[in-house]
Amino acid sequence: AQKITQTQPGMFVQEKEAVTLDCTYDTSDPSYGLFWYKQPSSGEMIFLIYQGSYDQQNATEGRYSLNFQKARKSANLVISASQLGDSAMYFCAMREANNAGNMLTFGGGTRLMVKP
Amino acid sequence: GAGVSQSPRYKVAKRGQDVALRCDPISGHVSLFWYQQALGQGPEFLTYFQNEAQLDKSGLPSDRFFAERPEGSVSTLKIQRTQQEDSAVYLCASSLSIWGYEQFFGPGTRLTVL
Repeated sequence: AQKITQTQPGMFVQEKEAVTLDCTYDTSDPSYGLFWYKQPSSGEMIFLIYQGSYDQQNATEGRYSLNFQKARKSANLVISASQLGDSAMYFCAMREANNAGNMLTFGGGTRLMVKP
Repeated sequence: GAGVSQSPRYKVAKRGQDVALRCDPISGHVSLFWYQQALGQGPEFLTYFQNEAQLDKSGLPSDRFFAERPEGSVSTLKIQRTQQEDSAVYLCASSLSIWGYEQFFGPGTRLTVL
């Protein structure tokens, strides 16, 4: 089974509107972390936000917030007030604590396009 | 301060050639990761170093792939006898500590095998 699933290959959003990018995950490890990265056309992965499995509150970083629903195993990214510069690929990723290598497992990504 | 750098940024190789991809992590970062990103897909883990020790190489797709980090800083990913299916972007990431959760990524090396 896929560990990270992003069901939206592409999304359009009007500039200044909010958008939600979906992410569901699968793990049996009680301790894990969830990440969102942005990858613009230049190729570099830019860290956006992190949510730990034991965190009581949803993570927020500026215009980014993570809607963490543990029972549903979902970790959706919400971008408020979209800007043209938000157009990029967005990847959800997970790190499991029982993973000695600390590596990230990524989803397939969602391409976000912001319309002026 | 400088981020993670990778060189070359682009590499074209003929099938069967050997290639070497370099990663300079952020100074002082203990953990170093290599990922492979095929076109239109998310990155996939290749291998992980903690200082100079390669602790996990479970993601290396074949014995043609080899990585090293001899002095615990710069790392090299080597691919021998390249095949067309090796064409991808190779991303390097580093993390400050063993349990540091934020991985800082380099710009990647785009490898095209003809």
